[in-house]
Amino acid sequence: KNEVEQSPQNLTAQEGEFITINCSYSVGISALHWLQQHPGGGIVSLFMLSSGKKKHGRLIATINIQEKHSSLHITASHPRDSAVYICAGLDRGSTLGRLYFGRGTQLTVWP
Amino acid sequence: GAVVSQHPSRVICKSGTSVKIECRSLDFQATTMFWYRQFPKQSLMLMATSNEGSKATYEQGVEKDKFLINHASLTLSTLTVTSAHPEDSSFYICSATQGRETQYFGPGTRLLVL
Repeated sequence: KNEVEQSPQNLTAQEGEFITINCSYSVGISALHWLQQHPGGGIVSLFMLSSGKKKHGRLIATINIQEKHSSLHITASHPRDSAVYICAGLDRGSTLGRLYFGRGTQLTVWP
Repeated sequence: GAVVSQHPSRVICKSGTSVKIECRSLDFQATTMFWYRQFPKQSLMLMATSNEGSKATYEQGVEKDKFLINHASLTLSTLTVTSAHPEDSSFYICSATQGRETQYFGPGTRLLVL
């Protein structure tokens, strides 16, 4: 069974704090997407990872294949980072790219 | 990055009417499009997988006669909610893929059935 577990469900931070969101997944997942969903509902893909680490601006995503665990870090957080962050696992057996989604982390960054 | 649009962004309709939602890949050809439904405070739930020129594959529990999907071209897929009822009120999102590992999401359509 393909499963993706994400934590925490809610996260509140003060502007400037370092933030970490965690995601663990089952053996049927071959890669992880990190997505950002703003209050209006639109979803932006931040990263797709199958190994190692990726960085884009203040966002860093890492994945540990052996432990089946991925983290999304936000350095120097800002109120505009407030959003729902979702990790989604790519089904190893899907040729079309089917994703399994975590429940999301609601991040609120206060000024 | 690639752009996926959805139309309409928001729709209110009366119970019993049908509503069509369009999903377009604007600058690439999408062999596969996915349709999701999202309830408040919950994550995305896959409804169906749509491939150009073939019948959609529906997830267990999703009524294919209620949620009609047509993938007429490599840039357009439509979801029609037939005989909509208040319980169909939800946020519907599509995504389009260029390949197995790349998926672009539309902005979503908020449906309210009165």
